[in-house]
Amino acid sequence: AQSVTQPDIHITVSEGASLELRCNYSYGATPYLFWYVQSPGQGLQLLLKYFSGDTLVQGIKGFEAEFKRSQSSFNLRKPSVHWSDAAEYFCAVGARLTDSWGKLQFGAGTQVVVTP
Amino acid sequence: DTGVSQDPRHKITKRGQNVTFRCDPISEHNRLYWYRQTLGQGPEFLTYFQNEAQLEKSRLLSDRFSAERPKGSFSTLEIQRTEQGDSAMYLCASRTDRVHTEAFFGQGTRLTVV
Repeated sequence: AQSVTQPDIHITVSEGASLELRCNYSYGATPYLFWYVQSPGQGLQLLLKYFSGDTLVQGIKGFEAEFKRSQSSFNLRKPSVHWSDAAEYFCAVGARLTDSWGKLQFGAGTQVVVTP
Repeated sequence: DTGVSQDPRHKITKRGQNVTFRCDPISEHNRLYWYRQTLGQGPEFLTYFQNEAQLEKSRLLSDRFSAERPKGSFSTLEIQRTEQGDSAMYLCASRTDRVHTEAFFGQGTRLTVV
């Protein structure tokens, strides 16, 4: 069965420290991969996406993610977090080969808390 | 504002009532998606449209749910005979047909069934 796993439900990080959020997927073929961020009561904002090519992807707000095919992972990183990075982060996958690839499957999310 | 627009942002309704939500996608986007997000979970796919055609419906979409996109522009999602379990955030997203493009999400409609 297809699945997206974000192993960490909740992460607390100090402002200025580095952040890594994990995402693993189980899919029949390499899917399209996305990270979205959601602030309380808001919709989803795309941080970055991977379709093909360079496996290290740069996104907005200083985030980057690395696709590792051998590990079926697409982990999100930021070298130095800011208080404004406190939010919920979702990893999502879209099936590459079907016409409905825009239909996304999301992980359960990781809540990030930033302490002073 | 040229983003995806959803209305209303919040809706409180009594159990058994019908509710309708509206989504206005980005104007050149011919694909439109509805998702449901319950507390502490990621969004779950409900249905999607290519222009006015509804191409796929999730098994989550019971017969109390119906979605339309009559002119291939805005879309509505109706829930009949609401139940407390319908309380959730309903998200709309849109994108173009071009490959390697992402979906853009609206801010959602928060439904509370009391």
